[in-house]
Amino acid sequence: AQSVTQLGSHVSVSEGALVLLRCNYSSSVPPYLFWYVQYPNQGLQLLLKYTSAATLVKGINGFEAEFKKSETSFHLTKPSAHMSDAAEYFCAVRRSSGNTPLVFGKGTRLSVIA
Amino acid sequence: DGGITQSPKYLFRKEGQNVTLSCEQNLNHDAMYWYRQDPGQGLRLIYYSQIVNDFQKGDIAEGYSVSREKKESFPLTVTSAQKNPTAFYLCASSIRRTSYNTDTQYFGPGTRLTVL
Repeated sequence: AQSVTQLGSHVSVSEGALVLLRCNYSSSVPPYLFWYVQYPNQGLQLLLKYTSAATLVKGINGFEAEFKKSETSFHLTKPSAHMSDAAEYFCAVRRSSGNTPLVFGKGTRLSVIA
Repeated sequence: DGGITQSPKYLFRKEGQNVTLSCEQNLNHDAMYWYRQDPGQGLRLIYYSQIVNDFQKGDIAEGYSVSREKKESFPLTVTSAQKNPTAFYLCASSIRRTSYNTDTQYFGPGTRLTVL
């Protein structure tokens, strides 16, 4: 069964520093991977998704992620953190081929220190 | 404005009562989903539906029920059989039913249910 593991339930960075949020997947088929962001008491918003067209995926708000099959990873990065990036981030993988539901990681809460 | 609406935003329930959470979308999406979110546990799938009048159980369906009588509506009932219903409930939808691996799931703003 497909699954994702997010390393680190809480990450804290200084404003202007590199953001790195880790996601490793387990999948018996080519994975379709997603990163979502959630601000307090709100729904989830898509940051980016891996569609197999390119291994480096650019998303909204300056975030990007690189798909590495050899490492079964899809880590999320941003070169310079802003205070507004403070939120919870979820990595997800589609359960199986087709428009099936997603399996979510447990999330990583990002804090940005001024 | 197109989107997904969930109501109410906050809901309080006494033990032993059934409650129904509303989810409506005007995106003309075929598939709809219900997830439950608890702190530190991510999102867990309750039910999903890929077409009107059809739905499937997710990972934690016990104590919940759904209906899909209209394409745009997918209400979730939390029954008294659900032993620990206090949580944040999120509804989502996506555009196609089958064979589209990269379709995005769009989320509503959520309903926070508290059992008193």
